Order: sequence, then C-alpha cells, then structure tokens
Amino acid sequence: DADVTQTPRNRITKTGKRIMLECSQTKGHDRMYWYRQDPGLGLRLIYYSFDVKDINKGEISDGYSVSRQAQAKFSLSLESAIPNQTALYFCATSDPRDRDYTGELFFGEGSRLTVL
Amino acid sequence: GQNIDQPTEMTATEGAIVQINCTYQTSGFNGLFWYQQHAGEAPTFLSYNVLDGLEEKGRFSSFLSRSKGYSYLLLKELQMKDSASYLCAALDSNYQLIWGAGTKLIIKP
Repeated sequence: DADVTQTPRNRITKTGKRIMLECSQTKGHDRMYWYRQDPGLGLRLIYYSFDVKDINKGEISDGYSVSRQAQAKFSLSLESAIPNQTALYFCATSDPRDRDYTGELFFGEGSRLTVL
Repeated sequence: GQNIDQPTEMTATEGAIVQINCTYQTSGFNGLFWYQQHAGEAPTFLSYNVLDGLEEKGRFSSFLSRSKGYSYLLLKELQMKDSASYLCAALDSNYQLIWGAGTKLIIKP
C-alpha cells in the first residue's frame, strides 16, 4: 500500500461544482503539501501545513482551500471549479528530521482533475 | 524573481551517458534537489546537494556549483527504464522549493 494516498485518482466535473481532493499518509510526517502540475510548467505549491494547527498559502492559493483534519489527513477543496483548474494535483509529505535533513518530499500518486 | 531553467527534452541512446543541466536563481539557497518522474506517476527523490561538488549514487550523480547557480544530473549506462522526466528544484531562503518545468529524457535502443 502507498504511504501517501490520494482520492479520487481521476475526476471529471463541471464548472461551478465543488470538488474535494483527499490525502492521507501513514509516514507519520508533520508536513504536508498540495501541488498542481501543468504541462510545460513546474510543480506549483497551492497550500502547505507544518502541523495540524498550521496552514499556509503557497504561490497559487486563489480558488482553493484546505483542511488539515489530523496529522495524517490534508484535504484540498475547489469551492467553485473552473476550467483552468484542470491539472494533475499531488499531495506530498516531508519530515524535517529525516536522517540527512534533506527535506525530501514523498508524493502521492496524483489526482487528475478535469473541469469542463 | 526566482527561476529554474532546464532543457525541455533530451534524447540519448541506451548504454550511453547523459548530462541534464539546471541553472537556478533564487532568493537565498538551501540546497538543490533532483527528482525523477515517469509519465503519469508521482515524482520520486533522486538526490540532494547543498555543498559544491559531485555526489555519486550508483548510476546517477549530481553536481552543484553554488557560485554559478548551476547543477547537473549525470546518468550513466542508460537503460530504457530511465526514460522519464527529471525535475530540478532549488530550496530558497524560506525553505520553499522552486521547481523547474522538468526535462523529458527519451532513451532510444
């Protein structure tokens, strides 16, 4: 089983609909992130959380919101989806105490969202 | 502004060596990462450099020059399974990752 699990893996929805992407992890990491990936662009950070009570906006947070329900769960919501939010979304975790202090990210398998 | 540049696509032959370059401009610097991403899959960690020099890990090596804002990933003895995108990312002074768009590596027999 994957250490970082995202649901759904694929979703097609219509403009204006509310969508939630969920992420759960069994790695015991405090830090969790949501990224989106678009063809020809680098990964862009939407939101990140360093613990349950800590939520921070990334570079492209407009149109998105998040909830950190527990250490292991971090959800991303699109309150009113629009077509330019069509993208591949990744959840990731990291542990600043990792053995080499690299801050290595561990990614979920991705959620492909299409907004029509 | 902050920026990462890497080639969009490269082609190499099975068994050969390929070098993927990355230049970065960031507000402060706390290290340079390389990730591998196969099509339709999640990125996976390859290497992390924070000091100048070459880090070797099996067939893969990563080099960093902080003074030049430059890194490269060297892949030796290329295998077909190495066909993937290679993502360069720099950690800025706020410990935020700045990502390049990735280099798609195509391996030909």
